[in-house]
Amino acid sequence: SQQGEEDPQALSIQEGENATMNCSYKTSINNLQWYRQNSGRGLVHLILIRSNEREKHSGRLRVTLDTSKKSSSLLITASRAADTASYFCATDNNFGNEKLTFGTGTRLTIIP
Amino acid sequence: NAGVTQTPKFQVLKTGQSMTLQCAQDMNHEYMSWYRQDPGMGLRLIHYSVGAGITDQGEVPNGYNVSRSTTEDFPLRLLSAAPSQTSVYFCASSSSGEQETQYFGPGTRLLVL
Repeated sequence: SQQGEEDPQALSIQEGENATMNCSYKTSINNLQWYRQNSGRGLVHLILIRSNEREKHSGRLRVTLDTSKKSSSLLITASRAADTASYFCATDNNFGNEKLTFGTGTRLTIIP
Repeated sequence: NAGVTQTPKFQVLKTGQSMTLQCAQDMNHEYMSWYRQDPGMGLRLIHYSVGAGITDQGEVPNGYNVSRSTTEDFPLRLLSAAPSQTSVYFCASSSSGEQETQYFGPGTRLLVL
């Protein structure tokens, strides 16, 4: 079964706007990661947040983590056409990185 | 560094045929994993390995075998292909440690008729 569930399943916004997507998970974790997948390609790591962190930034990305609610959010600011992709959260469930559990993903479309 | 490589990129099989999906990494990573991705879904873990000679089952292991004779290679074998195994298969590798992330290959698209 899927550990993470992303919300929304699909999101379309105008270029320049901010995009927010959410992830919920079920078990305790050491860390949570976000990945991007362009159509027909493999996944690319975006950012990792540890269980004792509440917020992390990387360029135009901001990730928050609320372990009490077992949820995380990914904010992409000032979106660009190149941000069009599917975004997945992944959790380690207190195992190592060899056993990540992925959510179902959010399909983000940036309208030029 | 080539990173994680997978071959073939695309394969068509008939039901009952067997094949091996190849995966190799040149980053000296201890961990390697195989996932499958079906339309509209995230990735599901098939098998994984924490080092040469050590493998274990993931969420959906039935119908697949793996071995890890070297650090670099982690082949996935389909013993008797079924239409339900039509999917995109991704191999990933990573180092141990809490801050390490997975590096993914480009994927193999498999169609079983």
